[in-house]
Amino acid sequence: EVQLVESGGGLVQPGGSLRLSCAASGFVFDGYWMSWVRQAPGKGLEWVANIKQDGTKTHYVDAVKDRFTISRDNAKNSLYLQMSSLRGDDTAVYFCVRGTGSAVYWGQGTLVTVSS
Amino acid sequence: QSALTQPPSASGSPGQSVTISCTGTSSDVGGYDYVSWYQQHPGKAPKLMIYEVNKRPSGVPDRFSGSKSGNTASLTVSGLQAEDEADYYCNSYTDSNDFYVFGTGTKVTVL
Repeated sequence: EVQLVESGGGLVQPGGSLRLSCAASGFVFDGYWMSWVRQAPGKGLEWVANIKQDGTKTHYVDAVKDRFTISRDNAKNSLYLQMSSLRGDDTAVYFCVRGTGSAVYWGQGTLVTVSS
Repeated sequence: QSALTQPPSASGSPGQSVTISCTGTSSDVGGYDYVSWYQQHPGKAPKLMIYEVNKRPSGVPDRFSGSKSGNTASLTVSGLQAEDEADYYCNSYTDSNDFYVFGTGTKVTVL
């Protein structure tokens, strides 16, 4: 069974940093692109970043470029999102997603709240 | 990276059909057959309903169908059921940044 379990969310002050993790199981992790998608409270979905199987290619939405970094550790079957210079509009549930674009498997999400 | 445009709401009675539009540009919806649709119930993760314009993942009822004409994609839900009440998001590859973009979302209400 495919499982994606996010962790690392919480309350952080504006300008602060946070690292999200996603533990993957039930599939060959290094065989798939992986992505992060976020959803602000009461708002729509937004692709945040994705990363190629071997980590050599990444893409970001303009709103997080130069502030967020997506990475992966295939030996640990884990996906990460390092977030810095956090702002109020980064407040959202962050979903770990297997694949990119058309994705069947999603985690349940972890809430990041940016507030003083 | 502007979001694709969807109507905020749509509704229909049980058994009826509802169609949701998703309008983009030639850089996304109109230029590529990488349009997908997601269903999301409150507090849940999105569920893939349609991919590559009109293909259904295993387990998705054939009441759900997708199509595309020019820069506009559409999702049709036939034979509406109570459990179809949810938010629906379209999604497309975009060559503006070699990434993906969601639509603004449509709340479907079953009357």
